[in-house]
Amino acid sequence: DTEVTQTPKHLVMGMTNKKSLKCEQHMGHRAMYWYKQKAKKPPELMFVYSYEKLSINESVPSRFSPECPNSSLLNLHLHALQPEDSALYLCASSQEGTGIPYEQYFGPGTRLTVT
Amino acid sequence: GEDVEQSLFLSVREGDSSVINCTYTDSSSTYLYWYKQEPGAGLQLLTYIFSNMDMKQDQRLTVLLNKKDKHLSLRIADTQTGDSAIYFCAENHRGGYQKVTFGTGTKLQVIP
Repeated sequence: DTEVTQTPKHLVMGMTNKKSLKCEQHMGHRAMYWYKQKAKKPPELMFVYSYEKLSINESVPSRFSPECPNSSLLNLHLHALQPEDSALYLCASSQEGTGIPYEQYFGPGTRLTVT
Repeated sequence: GEDVEQSLFLSVREGDSSVINCTYTDSSSTYLYWYKQEPGAGLQLLTYIFSNMDMKQDQRLTVLLNKKDKHLSLRIADTQTGDSAIYFCAENHRGGYQKVTFGTGTKLQVIP
């Protein structure tokens, strides 16, 4: 099973709402990632979890709150978002270790619209 | 910061070869990657190359790496309409192996 699943596929939320994005993988990968991708742009790294601990935070605003409850699950909690946060949010996973190529497997993404 | 540059658009006829180019800036990168993104989908890793190699072939795909010029290319032989997508090159960073920077993306259009 080389699949990364993400739910929901689409999400529309108001600026005062609280919502969560979910990501799951069963490949035994111990690194998991959140990316944000605007239209016609490359993905931008937001967070990396390594062995369920946050290892990289790319200076993301606190209205985005990641959580890794176990080695298979990754959540992104959203609160008080702005319209400019509308984007495709991609989750990825990879093996973890030294001297490895970190091949990342991506989910299909959640298309988020903030109104 | 590090910028990874690609040309925006490439159009080829079905059956021809496609060559997508990428220029990166971080000479400490240990791995360089090519990803494919179809409309409305996530990214799919196509192949990667270790920085001490200068070529890697995988079926219809050939990756060439010129470390001196920091230039990476992806050649797709016998291009098919199913190859139409956006292609991103990417590099990892010695300071944080998990951290990957993606190129600006090249949209490949295959004309039947």
